[in-house]
Amino acid sequence: DTGVSQNPRHKITKRGQNVTFRCDPISEHNRLYWYRQTLGQGPEFLTYFQNEAQLEKSRLLSDRFSAERPKGSFSTLEIQRTEQGDSAMYLCASSYPSTTNEKLFFGSGTQLSVL
Amino acid sequence: EDQVTQSPEALRLQEGESSSLNCSYTVSGLRGLFWYRQDPGKGPEFLFTLYSAGEEKEKERLKATLTKKESFLHITAPKPEDSATYLCAVQAVGYGGSQGNLIFGKGTKLSVKP
Repeated sequence: DTGVSQNPRHKITKRGQNVTFRCDPISEHNRLYWYRQTLGQGPEFLTYFQNEAQLEKSRLLSDRFSAERPKGSFSTLEIQRTEQGDSAMYLCASSYPSTTNEKLFFGSGTQLSVL
Repeated sequence: EDQVTQSPEALRLQEGESSSLNCSYTVSGLRGLFWYRQDPGKGPEFLFTLYSAGEEKEKERLKATLTKKESFLHITAPKPEDSATYLCAVQAVGYGGSQGNLIFGKGTKLSVKP
């Protein structure tokens, strides 16, 4: 399978715990994005990496959220001290830069439930 | 505030019954408008990108069009396998340099009955 891979698919945690998600992009893609999607809503942009550099962060990304992409390959998204409002689907996407059409390839997401 | 609004929220069609989905947008400057399809439990799947008013793109039973204020996704003679949520997204001026920083609408949930 050469698509975007996300692990775990589901995560249930208690309020106050830390969680970490992993994303493995398509191998030749140097751009990686994290989005968050709640039920009945469209995805919301969180952050963007080009290779290992984090170039954009949304105002939605509070201090409890941190993302890394060491060596420009896989990426992790950590949420510290989780809150019930963090419950959502966390989507990762990757792309190869194009001057005319940046097509995002999304993974199937990690569904987070905070109890 | 930059905004994307999709209508209707849900649409039920009989197989073969053609219809259109609407995406209206209010942005300071449009770099591109995107259509994605999302199946339950999966991430969005890219369909089309449109860049300028008057542009049209087609793929099988789907055709996307763009005006200065809205986009339409026309579905001709839909089949049950076209059932999904269709998401519209825009890339706006002032939202960073990456082309993947998108503003999504809430989507239209399409159900096609045999």
